[in-house]
Amino acid sequence: EAGVAQSPRYKIIEKRQSVAFWCNPISGHATLYWYQQILGQGPKLLIQFQNNGVVDDSQLPKDRFSAERLKGVDSTLKIQPAKLEDSAVYLCASSPDARSYEQYFGPGTRLTVT
Amino acid sequence: QKEVEQNSGPLSVPEGAIASLNCTYSDRGSQSFFWYRQYSGKSPELIMFIYSNGDKEDGRFTAQLNKASQYVSLLIRDSQPSDSATYLCAVRNTNAGKSTFGDGTTLTVKP
Repeated sequence: EAGVAQSPRYKIIEKRQSVAFWCNPISGHATLYWYQQILGQGPKLLIQFQNNGVVDDSQLPKDRFSAERLKGVDSTLKIQPAKLEDSAVYLCASSPDARSYEQYFGPGTRLTVT
Repeated sequence: QKEVEQNSGPLSVPEGAIASLNCTYSDRGSQSFFWYRQYSGKSPELIMFIYSNGDKEDGRFTAQLNKASQYVSLLIRDSQPSDSATYLCAVRNTNAGKSTFGDGTTLTVKP
């Protein structure tokens, strides 16, 4: 079974620019998560989707971050405009459903904002 | 107070020893508890989950949960250099709720 795919793997942008990340979850997984992991910290949930509906986006900075999961499969996370403090690894994870104990993480996208 | 607290370490143990990793959480309503391993530059991978008080064993790993003390731990027996990684504790407050992660404990197993 193919794992969670993410692209790009690395991105360097200047502050105030915009950036988008893409995630393709494991086939058949209804729940998709986006996490932000700043160096030296644990992952912080930004948004959780169940199919194409949002379950939790309480920690998503909505003035600059947006996410969508069209058709309940792939997802994109966008930052516009980026700030220096957005430098982090953005992890996508999926699980069969929200009640599942197992989350499978993708390789992440390392974002550097200069 | 952080919702999930772990000692950042580094924790260093000799090869073959038992490594003990600890985690406390603040939400008494938390229902399920997870241990992830994260190698440097890699993404987290689930080692174990536990939701009932007591011990749960899987190979060299044992998770221990004490809800009254709001404490969960991970024991690694016969530690190997390949166990050297950051171990993340995560807590979920409902069956379908979000997981909150601690900042991790870095473990080094010395040959």
